[in-house]
Amino acid sequence: EVQLVESGGGLVQPGGSLRLSCAASGFNVSSNYMSWVRQAPGKGLEWVSVIYSGGRTSYADSVKGRFTISRHTSKNTLYLQMNSLRAEDTAMYYCASYYYDSPEGGWFDPWGQGTLVTVSS
Amino acid sequence: DIQLTQSPSFLSASVGDRVTITCRASQGISSYLAWYQQKPEKAPKLLIYAASTLQSGVPSRFSGSGSGTEFTLTISSLQPEDFATYYCQQWWTFGQGTKVEIK
Repeated sequence: EVQLVESGGGLVQPGGSLRLSCAASGFNVSSNYMSWVRQAPGKGLEWVSVIYSGGRTSYADSVKGRFTISRHTSKNTLYLQMNSLRAEDTAMYYCASYYYDSPEGGWFDPWGQGTLVTVSS
Repeated sequence: DIQLTQSPSFLSASVGDRVTITCRASQGISSYLAWYQQKPEKAPKLLIYAASTLQSGVPSRFSGSGSGTEFTLTISSLQPEDFATYYCQQWWTFGQGTKVEIK
């Protein structure tokens, strides 16, 4: 069974840092496009970052320069290092695999259950 | 950047109703549009990909169609478990969501 399990969320002060983890089972993180998607309380879904199977990364403008996506092959785990956190980063953070089989696009599946990040003093 | 606008943002419907949600793109996009269902306190679940292909295990009352700038998600006969929020997505962009509530 394919499963993604996030961890590492919590309460952090503005300006602080946090590292999220997403442990995968049933499939290989390094062979897939892996992404983070967040959802602020009561709001919609917002894509945050992706790491492609070749290792290239991409970020939403709202987190560029502050967040870093990475993966550990032998641990089969995806990470999101979040620095200089702001109140507006408060959200549930989901990891998801981005299935891509065409230059025209792809879709997110499966998703983890999410980990909550709260940025507040 | 492409923007996806869903309509309506909220709809109230009864069990058994036929429901249609529209997703409009700010410019012509490929047919690789996906739809997700999200229930409270749960992760989104993929329903449809490539505009009209039903994900494995999703009931056949769900269907998708469209191309270019306009796409639709249809639920042919709304069931109690279908009350949720629905999102469209293309590449890294999501629509703002449509909340389906019980009338």
